[in-house]
Order: sequence, then structure tokens, then C-alpha cells
Amino acid sequence: NAGVMQNPRHLVRRRGQEARLRCSPMKGHSHVYWYRQLPEEGLKFMVYLQKENIIDESGMPKERFSAEFPKEGPSILRIQQVVRGDSAAYFCASSRDRYNQPQHFGDGTRLSIL
Amino acid sequence: QKEVEQNSGPLSVPEGAIASLNCTYSDRGSQSFFWYRQYSGKSPELIMSIYSNGDKEDGRFTAQLNKASQYVSLLIRDSQPSDSATYLCAVNRNNDMRFGAGTRLTVKP
Repeated sequence: NAGVMQNPRHLVRRRGQEARLRCSPMKGHSHVYWYRQLPEEGLKFMVYLQKENIIDESGMPKERFSAEFPKEGPSILRIQQVVRGDSAAYFCASSRDRYNQPQHFGDGTRLSIL
Repeated sequence: QKEVEQNSGPLSVPEGAIASLNCTYSDRGSQSFFWYRQYSGKSPELIMSIYSNGDKEDGRFTAQLNKASQYVSLLIRDSQPSDSATYLCAVNRNNDMRFGAGTRLTVKP
């Protein structure tokens, strides 16, 4: 399956711990997007990355959250010192290296904070 | 004004009917338009893309775009209970994708 791969599918952390979410884009895709979704709510854009570059991080909280997409390996969304309010589904999407292409989503990571 | 607006629903239609989902957007420079379906607890799934004015049909789905009115719609013919989901409208300009909050559709047997 050459789809967008996210792992882990479920992640449980205690308050104050770090959460690392990983995303491997579809084959041939070089653009990665991270979204957050609370239950019964819409998708909230967080960050848009290309290889080794952050293109748009306007939706990312200024503190505790960071993202990277290194030259080799998956994109990582990192949440430091997690709080209960970070509990949500985090979706990664990828698209081809051309303008206006559709985004294809991974299955998401459900993050639960105890 | 939200960048992409959809009626939140729920929209309820009987099985076999046509479901009509609507979306308006504020950025006149938007270039590509998409409809995603999201089942409860699942990730969004791309079901339609449309890039130019007019209608685009794919099986039971028809997307309609009117750039002058900044309006895009999705028609689902012969609705099935399996079509019950939240439908997200997405509008793209230079890889800046904006999603609507979604319309929840329920198809009753």
C-alpha cells in the first residue's frame, strides 16, 4: 500500500511527557501537511512542510509544538510537555510537487493524555 | 466571514434520493476545489476534484463549480445508507488548502 503512513495509530501520554507523531508521505509526494481534529469538530491546519523546509506554520501553537521533514525519513510532529488539551486526532496529508494538487490523508494518530 | 463555509447539517435524506451539499468560499483567487468524505472515527477520503466551472460527474457523484458566485456543490444521486458521513469541502490556492467545517449527511433506509 503506497498510501500515507502514520504511526503510531494510538498514543497515550501522561501530562508533561513528549509525544512524537510520524508521517511518511505517499510515494512521489514531497509536500506534507499536519492537521488536528477534536471530536465532532473540523480539521484545523497546523503546518505545511516540504523536504527540509517549513513552508507555513501559521496554525501551529508557538510553544511546545514543532515539526520537521528531514531529507531522509518521515515527517515528525513533536509535542513537548503535553497537556490534557492536546488530546485529539492528528492527521497527516501529502500531495505531489505541483500546485493545486489534492491532499491525501493518512489514518491519523489518536493522542490521549492521561 | 469564514474562508470556506458549509451548512453543518445534519442533512437527512431518504435512501434513493439526491443529497445536495453546498459550499461557498471567500478567496476569488482559489484555483482547485475538492470534496472529502469522512466517516466517524476515520480520516478524510478524497472523493471529487474540480478545477474549472461547470459539472464533473463520477459515478453517483457530481461536483458543480461556479467561480463567479464562489460556490461549489456536491450532488449524490441514489443515496445509500453507506453515504452517511461528514462531507468536507476544501478550496486550494497555491497549495494553501482551506477546509470547511463539514456537513453531516444521514441517509435513512
